[in-house]
Amino acid sequence: DARVTQTPRHKVTEMGQEVTMRCQPILGHNTVFWYRQTMMQGLELLAYFRNRAPLDDSGMPKDRFSAEMPDATLATLKIQPSEPRDSAVYFCASGLAGTSGVTDTQYFGPGTRLTVL
Amino acid sequence: GESVGLHLPTLSVQEGDNSIINCAYSNSASDYFIWYKQESGKGPQFIIDIRSNMDKRQGQRVTVLLNKTVKHLSLQIAATQPGDSAVYFCAEIVSHSSASKIIFGSGTRLSIRP
Repeated sequence: DARVTQTPRHKVTEMGQEVTMRCQPILGHNTVFWYRQTMMQGLELLAYFRNRAPLDDSGMPKDRFSAEMPDATLATLKIQPSEPRDSAVYFCASGLAGTSGVTDTQYFGPGTRLTVL
Repeated sequence: GESVGLHLPTLSVQEGDNSIINCAYSNSASDYFIWYKQESGKGPQFIIDIRSNMDKRQGQRVTVLLNKTVKHLSLQIAATQPGDSAVYFCAEIVSHSSASKIIFGSGTRLSIRP
């Protein structure tokens, strides 16, 4: 049963520290998404990769957040320095985009709950 | 597991009855819509999708209706079961050859009464 995995599942850190969240997409999927979910904002798209290339990161604070795909089996989301307002659940999702550019079903990971004190 | 206790509108339904969850979308250029279910402690899970050239699509116990005139989407769940308890999100997608835009609705919590 293929699924998206995320590590760590929980992270508590102090303000100013670097946080790295990792995601392993489903093998064969060519699109990877990073989302943030908070009580106030709901589910927000932060960044979106296709074939490891970043396509859209307009939802991500550029000064402190960075997203990369070192290879097809790993996506990372880093926050440096972290702030209390970054506390949220961060979800990774993967999918398979056709030649039309439309991503069909996205499969979500279990999320990383980040708490920044 | 991961979950977020959102202050969401709640729909309370008697077990066995049909549920209808509504969603208003914002972009008339949106050409693809998805309903997701998020159970407590888990990530969103795909339920059903519909393209803008359709007005109805049926799955197993679920039906999605799309009214493009008023930019409204609904999810109907037949014979609601306790396992249907979750938060339901609609998502609208505007397709581009380079990068699609995806926007999620705020969600509705479905509560099942025994």
